[in-house]
Amino acid sequence: DTEVTQTPKHLVMGMTNKKSLKCEQHMGHRAMYWYKQKAKKPPELMFVYSYEKLSINESVPSRFSPECPNSSLLNLHLHALQPEDSALYLCASSQAWTDMNTEAFFGQGTRLTVV
Amino acid sequence: GQQVMQIPQYQHVQEGEDFTTYCNSSTTLSNIQWYKQRPGGHPVFLIQLVKSGEVKKQKRLTFQFGEAKKNSSLHITATQTTDVGTYFCAGFRGNTGKLIFGQGTTLQVKP
Repeated sequence: DTEVTQTPKHLVMGMTNKKSLKCEQHMGHRAMYWYKQKAKKPPELMFVYSYEKLSINESVPSRFSPECPNSSLLNLHLHALQPEDSALYLCASSQAWTDMNTEAFFGQGTRLTVV
Repeated sequence: GQQVMQIPQYQHVQEGEDFTTYCNSSTTLSNIQWYKQRPGGHPVFLIQLVKSGEVKKQKRLTFQFGEAKKNSSLHITATQTTDVGTYFCAGFRGNTGKLIFGQGTTLQVKP
């Protein structure tokens, strides 16, 4: 199984809502990532988890809250988002984030619209 | 900080023509990866180059890593409509393990 599964695929939420994005992988990867991608732009790194611990936070606003319940799961909790947060949110995993000879496997993404 | 620049931003070709995208880094890269993202899809890993001057081929795709490990290219021979998408190069920022993407080159192929 070389898949990274993300749910939901699409999400529309109001600025006062609380929602969560979910990501799952069963490849035994110990590094998991959240990326944000705006239209016609490259993916931008948000968070990196290594061995279930938050290793990197790229100065992401606190309205985005990541969580790694176990080695296979990664969540992104959303609260009080702004319309400019609308984007494709991509989850990725790799064997280890400090091993720079490893490819990243991306999920299909959650297309988020904030209204 | 390290930046990865990619050109051109867009390329329209007739089916059967060749295509090349170039990636340049402001600093030496430990390695470089290439990803393809189809319209409406997610990035999919294509290849990784590690050695100075390395050349790798995948069918009609040829990847090169510069001698100074600061630039890379992807060349597609005789494009097909299935090659449509955005091609990203990506490099690691220093020794941080942060995978940073170039701006991408979007390829359109006219049948």
